Amino acid sequence: DAKTTQPTSMDCAEGRAANLPCNHSTISGNEYVYWYRQIHSQGPQYIIHGLKNNETNEMASLIITEDRKSSTLILPHATLRDTAVYYCIVKRSYNNNDMRFGAGTRLTVKP
Amino acid sequence: GAVVSQHPSWVICKSGTSVKIECRSLDFQATTMFWYRQFPKQSLMLMATSNEGSKATYEQGVEKDKFLINHASLTLSTLTVTSAHPEDSSFYICSANIRDERSYEQYFGPGTRLTVT
Repeated sequence: DAKTTQPTSMDCAEGRAANLPCNHSTISGNEYVYWYRQIHSQGPQYIIHGLKNNETNEMASLIITEDRKSSTLILPHATLRDTAVYYCIVKRSYNNNDMRFGAGTRLTVKP
Repeated sequence: GAVVSQHPSWVICKSGTSVKIECRSLDFQATTMFWYRQFPKQSLMLMATSNEGSKATYEQGVEKDKFLINHASLTLSTLTVTSAHPEDSSFYICSANIRDERSYEQYFGPGTRLTVT
């Protein structure tokens, strides 16, 4: 599975959109981009995933560049409860293997 | 969505004793479960992959005789930390794969915090 690169930390004002970038320049054609987050002392929570089209659900939007080498997770109206570590993971979805976690981005939403 | 539970949520034990952590898939059958360990301010590190009815596959550097994994049914996997030492104090998280339509999705438990005194 391809490696990902994310900023170590980011701040966001409450109520504003949080845009979390992820680089995955070595992604291959059959690999999906997954986003999870981990709130302090909890297990990771699935947010969203996509292959090449932009995706949106009740939690977030995922924007994948046309060349698929990078993506952005968007939390449209960040709240204090969105403070967490966000992990971008690239994985072949049909593969029954585990998720491999990098360091992630620590997002702090400030009042 | 699918739910994975862990028990206990936290445990304190004395050095030299053994501790068992349970991981259950509540509303689906999981042929494959995973065990992760997370030290403070670090990311999740995979310890082992557990397949129902067969021996677990351990990651390099993880002692299989110290971290015993049993995946006896399609809804239960257990991790036993044997002869625990303070350096085993960590946050242990399990997860399970479920096949949904064309792909596998992974769901995580809430974690178990182990403190060895």
